[in-house]
Amino acid sequence: DAGITQSPRYKITETGRQVTLMCHQTWSHSYMFWYRQDLGHGLRLIYYSAAADITDKGEVPDGYVVSRSKTENFPLTLESATRSQTSVYFCASSEPGTANTGEQYFGPGTRLTVT
Amino acid sequence: GENVEQHPSTLSVQEGDSAVIKCTYSDSASNYFPWYKQELGKRPQLIIDIRSNVGEKKDQRIAVTLNKTAKHFSLHITETQPEDSAVYFCAARNFNKFYFGSGTKLNVKP
Repeated sequence: DAGITQSPRYKITETGRQVTLMCHQTWSHSYMFWYRQDLGHGLRLIYYSAAADITDKGEVPDGYVVSRSKTENFPLTLESATRSQTSVYFCASSEPGTANTGEQYFGPGTRLTVT
Repeated sequence: GENVEQHPSTLSVQEGDSAVIKCTYSDSASNYFPWYKQELGKRPQLIIDIRSNVGEKKDQRIAVTLNKTAKHFSLHITETQPEDSAVYFCAARNFNKFYFGSGTKLNVKP
């Protein structure tokens, strides 16, 4: 688990501000994911990346931007934060393995509050 | 996209009893089904998984079954202990994306 880290762990920001959440993994996994976790919704995929410079939308991408210039980093940016983006954000990584069935490893999470 | 439904949302059992959590999925192309345990304030941790070419898998007190025809899979925990109390999530991997159920809060009463 120490191989995937997130920063900051806690963040309070104001509506309209830009916020960037960082994710770093040391395993050189190809795939990285960003999820948000809200009560009653489980984990919902925001964006994912199959490799450096390859990203794609998940279930709830609106209001978020990602980039992946290096394999080990996958930052998530809220361009103009809204109260509805108050949530716990988890980053994860995986190696596809055979038939795309590789196990997924989660970071410790970032609790974001938008006031 | 895929849709994963999970039941029940809460489950309370007596220590030593069994617990069963059920999930259904909608897309037959999904081929990997992990189960995660999440304790309060912690990250989800994989506890068991099953691939689409397998019908059942067991690891000590935990087992998972998969019925591809009916598109449902279940988590079975036997001889429950208070430390099993947590939120459990099922998931399905579908073309590189993971789709999660809404979670089951399991409470094991001593």
